[in-house]
Amino acid sequence: QSALTQPASVSGSPGQSITISCTGTSSDVGGYNYVSWYQQHPGKAPKLMIYDVSNRPSGISNRFSGSKSGNTASLTISGLQAEDEADYYCSSYTSSSPYVFGTGTKVTVL
Amino acid sequence: EVQLLESGGVLVQPGGSLRLSCAASGFTFSNYAMSWVRQAPGKGLEWVSSISGSGGSTYYADSVKGRFTISRDSSENTLYLQMDSLRAEDTAVYYCAKDQYGDYSVDSWGQGTLVTVSS
Repeated sequence: QSALTQPASVSGSPGQSITISCTGTSSDVGGYNYVSWYQQHPGKAPKLMIYDVSNRPSGISNRFSGSKSGNTASLTISGLQAEDEADYYCSSYTSSSPYVFGTGTKVTVL
Repeated sequence: EVQLLESGGVLVQPGGSLRLSCAASGFTFSNYAMSWVRQAPGKGLEWVSSISGSGGSTYYADSVKGRFTISRDSSENTLYLQMDSLRAEDTAVYYCAKDQYGDYSVDSWGQGTLVTVSS
């Protein structure tokens, strides 16, 4: 149940695109298409942004997209906006537990 | 509208016990798996435990296995987390979470309840 690995921080200017990686193993990210992404603003509960690698829940902007290659999943935010500044976490189903979360990435809009 | 309202978070001494509750509304509670996720101050999210819709299957993180017990009461639409042998490292905001149907993602979260373990 080791946490998935994410970069500690990613930054970009308004309007740019950024990508956050989430690296696991063949027992989690690489073995199942159950990767999700969550956005968390300070002092708030997390919010589901992407599920099943690349699906967006109703109401989530199409500026958010997800993908996976091998043991690494990615979240791309295009057309970066000030309100996108937040912490982002990936999670995955694993062979031994329903969930493991990533280490988290702080996104800064310059 | 889905609502999840946690309660029970307090200051407790190391070695003590506590039970968290999560009152659910706005959906058919027994149809959905539920989970607890925690976040230590200034740290990331950590999955704690999950329970199936029927309550027949439960899952625990290694860090809490043997100390925490998850349960649910579908007649009261309430999720519980019994926490025993508490340690300082259990200090965190505990979130109640509704799993998306037939999937391994959380589509609804409570606002969290703070558990502080300290002497």
